[in-house]
Amino acid sequence: DIQMTQSPSSLSASVGDRVTVTCRASRGVASSLAWFQQKPGKAPTSLIYAASTLDTGVPSKFSGSGSGSEFTLTISSLQPEDFATYYCLQYKSYPFTFGQGTKLEVK
Amino acid sequence: EVHLVESGGGLVQPGGSLRLSCAASGFTFSDHVMDWVRQAPGKGLEWVARAGNKASGHATEYATSVTGRFTISRDDSKSSVYLQMNSLESEDTAVYYCTSTQMGKVFDHWGQGTQVTVSS
Repeated sequence: DIQMTQSPSSLSASVGDRVTVTCRASRGVASSLAWFQQKPGKAPTSLIYAASTLDTGVPSKFSGSGSGSEFTLTISSLQPEDFATYYCLQYKSYPFTFGQGTKLEVK
Repeated sequence: EVHLVESGGGLVQPGGSLRLSCAASGFTFSDHVMDWVRQAPGKGLEWVARAGNKASGHATEYATSVTGRFTISRDDSKSSVYLQMNSLESEDTAVYYCTSTQMGKVFDHWGQGTQVTVSS
């Protein structure tokens, strides 16, 4: 199985900050990498697929980059609604595997 | 608008069985791949199973942890996907989400989830 390692596991930031979350794969996944946002008690929502393509309706303050085994999610100008947990997912090969999550909290 | 509505969750004893259902609307169901993803209490997301679309011949895939115990199926005439869960273990306790995937994307829509609790 491909292991996905996210860092950091938690992150404290302030409104207006720019933050970056990293996801590393134990072996290359090309661009088959997605990012999801989950708020407490809610289902996850899709942010980015194919490493850097924003899903429909996702604001441009979210961006993704990377290929192969290292990927980043960047959120610019944090707003209160952005404080949530973020997960990466590799869908290059079965079984699909998620990172352990990064909890973004208000400083 | 896409809607995915899960049902069938509940409390079941270890070794028991449960069948989850997911009713879809708002899109051409037969064109979409359908997956189940679960989340144990206080934990992260875990992919469980996939039912391919008509173009893939409805191919199925499973996580290692559920292979041989869970079976995913779909009925395109009812726009529904199912997860038959047998030999349930306490580690299967989780919220189970139904997701849909259109070509080129992945898990682009999610249901609200259904709780499965395995306990004596």
